Amino acid sequence: QKEVEQDPGPLSVPEGAIVSLNCTYSNSAFQYFMWYRQYSRKGPELLMYTYSSGNKEDGRFTAQVDKSSKYISLFIRDSQPSDSATYLCAMSLNQAGTALIFGKGTTLSVSS
Amino acid sequence: GAVVSQHPSWVICKSGTSVKIECRSLDFQATTMFWYRQFPKQSLMLMATSNEGSKATYEQGVEKDKFLINHASLTLSTLTVTSAHPEDSSFYICSARDRHKGGYTEAFFGQGTRLTVV
Repeated sequence: QKEVEQDPGPLSVPEGAIVSLNCTYSNSAFQYFMWYRQYSRKGPELLMYTYSSGNKEDGRFTAQVDKSSKYISLFIRDSQPSDSATYLCAMSLNQAGTALIFGKGTTLSVSS
Repeated sequence: GAVVSQHPSWVICKSGTSVKIECRSLDFQATTMFWYRQFPKQSLMLMATSNEGSKATYEQGVEKDKFLINHASLTLSTLTVTSAHPEDSSFYICSARDRHKGGYTEAFFGQGTRLTVV
């Protein structure tokens, strides 16, 4: 079993739709949970991070972490064509000095 | 925000030659940098953790003699792919964290290097 599981998609939605992206993980020691966005042939850029369980909202993006279920989600409201990218979940055990463990990434396409 | 510069962004080399990739933190000091490899439609796979002034820590299955990592300063780490073969063709990405920031520190990523070995 991989440490982090993420459905690679692809996921296609019309503009304005609500998008739900999810990851599951097996290591209960993970403390920090991140979502990155990656455009083709570019390095990932951080969208949101959450420490331990809970919700976090930033504009059209909401991140949820349920440590009891080992399940994290990213919701995108009012999706835009510019949101078309690959979304990677990532996790780490602690703070600086620990590498991130990534999911495979979900490719999202938002059509206008 | 903090920037990590990776160079070159793409390189084509002949089989058997060596290629060096540089990763620089431009406006912060990074005690630790990480090197990842990404195949098409696959996740970023950690190859090694690069610590300033000491030997890198390699993940299981990564040949340390083939992927030489040097972290000579707090702002520069290099990855050298030695005796490259076509199967080494991939997207290599570095990341770094700001050593002076407490709490969670964002891992900043370079723009990646696409290596093609012919």
